[in-house]
Amino acid sequence: AQSVTQLDSQVPVFEEAPVELRCNYSSSVSVYLFWYVQYPNQGLQLLLKYLSGSTLVKGINGFEAEFNKSQTSFHLRKPSVHISDTAEYFCAVSDEEYGNKLVFGAGTILRVKS
Amino acid sequence: NAGVTQTPKFQVLKTGQSMTLQCAQDMNHEYMSWYRQDPGMGLRLIHYSVGAGITDQGEVPNGYNVSRSTTEDFPLRLLSAAPSQTSVYFCASSSPLGRGHEQYFGPGTRLTVT
Repeated sequence: AQSVTQLDSQVPVFEEAPVELRCNYSSSVSVYLFWYVQYPNQGLQLLLKYLSGSTLVKGINGFEAEFNKSQTSFHLRKPSVHISDTAEYFCAVSDEEYGNKLVFGAGTILRVKS
Repeated sequence: NAGVTQTPKFQVLKTGQSMTLQCAQDMNHEYMSWYRQDPGMGLRLIHYSVGAGITDQGEVPNGYNVSRSTTEDFPLRLLSAAPSQTSVYFCASSSPLGRGHEQYFGPGTRLTVT
């Protein structure tokens, strides 16, 4: 079965600083990887996804992620964060056996301070 | 397009009561699913459906029932509520069937069982 580990439960960072949210996955075959964002009291929204091809994936709001097959990682980065980026971020992997099903990590809360 | 809608937004139940959480989507998506979100545990799949008349269990199905009589609706029934079911519940939909497609989330229902 697939699994996802988000290595940091909370990441505090000052406004305009760079940030990296870490995600590692387990899989024996090809994977499809996702990052979702959840703003306070809202549902989840897709930030970006990796299906195949270029290992650097660009998403919305200036975020990008790099797929590293040898390290089984899919870390999310942003070069300069804003207060409005304060949210919880979830890494997810597409379950190879069941198609649309997603397996989520525990989430990382990004707190941007002024 | 309203997307994925959920009702109610908030609900308080007493132990042993039953209720139905409603979910509807207007995007003609084949795949629909229910997740529960608990602090530090990410989202865990309760039940899912790949089309009208077809449902299956996810990771944490005990204490919940679902049915899918139409493409649009996917209600989640709590048979006899327990304090362990206190959580935030999200409905999601996706199309077409298969891996790699974005899931669209509803705004969630916050349930407290006393």
